[in-house]
Amino acid sequence: EAGVTQFPSHSVIEKGQTVTLRCDPISGHDNLYWYRRVMGKEIKFLLHFVKESKQDESGMPNNRFLAERTGGTYSTLKVQPAELEDSGVYFCASSQGGINEQFFGPGTRLTVL
Amino acid sequence: GEDVEQSLFLSVREGDSSVINCTYTDSSSTYLYWYKQEPGAGLQLLTYIFSNMDMKQDQRLTVLLNKKDKHLSLRIADTQTGDSAIYFCAERDSGGYQKVTFGTGTKLQVIP
Repeated sequence: EAGVTQFPSHSVIEKGQTVTLRCDPISGHDNLYWYRRVMGKEIKFLLHFVKESKQDESGMPNNRFLAERTGGTYSTLKVQPAELEDSGVYFCASSQGGINEQFFGPGTRLTVL
Repeated sequence: GEDVEQSLFLSVREGDSSVINCTYTDSSSTYLYWYKQEPGAGLQLLTYIFSNMDMKQDQRLTVLLNKKDKHLSLRIADTQTGDSAIYFCAERDSGGYQKVTFGTGTKLQVIP
């Protein structure tokens, strides 16, 4: 069974540009989560999808971040325009729900110059 | 809001035991987790403990929970070089959204 995959693995962009991160959850997982780890700090929750609906987006830092999950399969996280403080590692996770484990992808390292 | 704290770095010799500590603030936590992140890889769930338990053992791993002090620890017996990684403590609250709050991670360095 394929795990959670994320693309790209690393992105380097300039301040003001736009970047779109993609996450493909484990097939059949209704729950999809986005997290972010800024250098040396804790991993912070961004948002949670149940199928295509946003269940909880309380962790989204501001309106420069837009997450979508059309069709309830893969998800994208767009940052527009990117700022320096957006640099970090963005993790995606998926789960079947309930108390089940969240399976994490390898992360996308975003560097904003 | 919820807060989870860990020390940033731990160094041990191969064969010794490692103890990684964590404190959390959310008294309504239902599950507490330990995740491991190896270089270039995602987070791997190592073990978890329900908040109504005080100890869980799984092979070389022992998790101790002191709910009164909101303190969680992970002990790795006979630490190996392959255990070198970042270990994240995390808690999940009792709310319906299943949001998980992570600590900063403890980087474990195992010296051969």
